[in-house]
Amino acid sequence: AQSVTQLGSHVSVSEGALVLLRCNYSSSVPPYLFWYVQYPNQGLQLLLKYTSAATLVKGINGFEAEFKKSETSFHLTKPSAHMSDAAEYFCAVRATNTGNQFYFGTGTSLTVIP
Amino acid sequence: EAQVTQNPRYLITVTGKKLTVTCSQNMNHEYMSWYRQDPGLGLRQIYYSMNVEVTDKGDVPEGYKVSRKEKRNFPLILESPSPNQTSLYFCASSFGGSQPQHFGDGTRLSIL
Repeated sequence: AQSVTQLGSHVSVSEGALVLLRCNYSSSVPPYLFWYVQYPNQGLQLLLKYTSAATLVKGINGFEAEFKKSETSFHLTKPSAHMSDAAEYFCAVRATNTGNQFYFGTGTSLTVIP
Repeated sequence: EAQVTQNPRYLITVTGKKLTVTCSQNMNHEYMSWYRQDPGLGLRQIYYSMNVEVTDKGDVPEGYKVSRKEKRNFPLILESPSPNQTSLYFCASSFGGSQPQHFGDGTRLSIL
């Protein structure tokens, strides 16, 4: 079975600082990779998706993620944090070679300090 | 408007009383799925469906049933709910198993 690890259940950054949220997956074959954001009392919204077309993926709201096969990582970054970025972020994977099941990480709660 | 609609949004019930959470999508998506979200555990997939009459178990299927008789609907059934099924549930859909999923707003279930 796949697994997804998000290091750091809580991350705090100052407004304007770099945001870095980490995601590592376990798979010998690169899976489909996604980042979702969840605002309080809402469902999840897609931030970006890795399609294998490019290793650097740009998403909405200024977020981007870089796929690194050698490190089995798909970390999410944003150059300058905004107060509105405060939310829960989830990394998700779906294997490309076995089944149609999705696996989510345990989430990272981002706090932005004014 | 493209959306995934879950009902009810909130439900408090008692152990053993059968309940159904409905999920409907208006995007003609083939893939539909149910998740439960628990603190510290993230989202865990309960069941998914690749198309009508095709369903498969996810990571935590015990105590749940699903059916997919129509493309747009994917109800989640708890035949004999227990307190450990108290959770926040999300339905999601997509065009295929590899495409981004659209999520409903969630159903908060409390089983006493």
